[in-house]
Amino acid sequence: EAQVTQNPRYLITVTGKKLTVTCSQNMNHEYMSWYRQDPGLGLRQIYYSMNVEVTDKGDVPEGYKVSRKEKRNFPLILESPSPNQTSLYFCASSPGTSGREAFFGQGTRLTVV
Amino acid sequence: GQQLNQSPQSMFIQEGEDVSMNCTSSSIFNTWLWYKQDPGEGPVLLIALYKAGELTSNGRLTAQFGITRKDSFLNISASIPSDVGIYFCAGLNQGTYKYIFGTGTRLKVLA
Repeated sequence: EAQVTQNPRYLITVTGKKLTVTCSQNMNHEYMSWYRQDPGLGLRQIYYSMNVEVTDKGDVPEGYKVSRKEKRNFPLILESPSPNQTSLYFCASSPGTSGREAFFGQGTRLTVV
Repeated sequence: GQQLNQSPQSMFIQEGEDVSMNCTSSSIFNTWLWYKQDPGEGPVLLIALYKAGELTSNGRLTAQFGITRKDSFLNISASIPSDVGIYFCAGLNQGTYKYIFGTGTRLKVLA
């Protein structure tokens, strides 16, 4: 089954404790991206990657890091999480390098206390 | 960061009614997309639009890419209870490859 898989689905952590949210897709897509969803703000793009080893900042990249060492994986790293990073996070992938027609994962609900 | 203005924010409608929502931007986009999000799920693509003026249908859904490239519209005909959810528009600037999403329209259907 074609899918984007995020782990974990739910995470509660403490301020300053480094964490990684994994994202993997099995559709051989070039483009992958991360979003955060907050009430009233819709989805905001954090980082995106047009291909392996190519990443760029979205609209809200502060406090996040990403890497794209393999085509299928695009982990999101929070080096020192803070409470304002409490949010619902989505990973998505798209065929081609232009980002059209995104397929989303199930989401990761992160709470930073 | 940039966001798209999506309206209405929420709407209650009777089953069987038609629904319209729209999205506007101060910037030009090369691609407009419409997604639906069910509770506890990620957004799912409904319709993608690639040319100014384009009108595309997907079952009871019809979407249009505005001629100015700064807006898009989504219509749902004869709504049914499973249409409940949040609808998002998204613009893709192919110069920057960045995705910009609207703030969403929450649709509730009364049976």
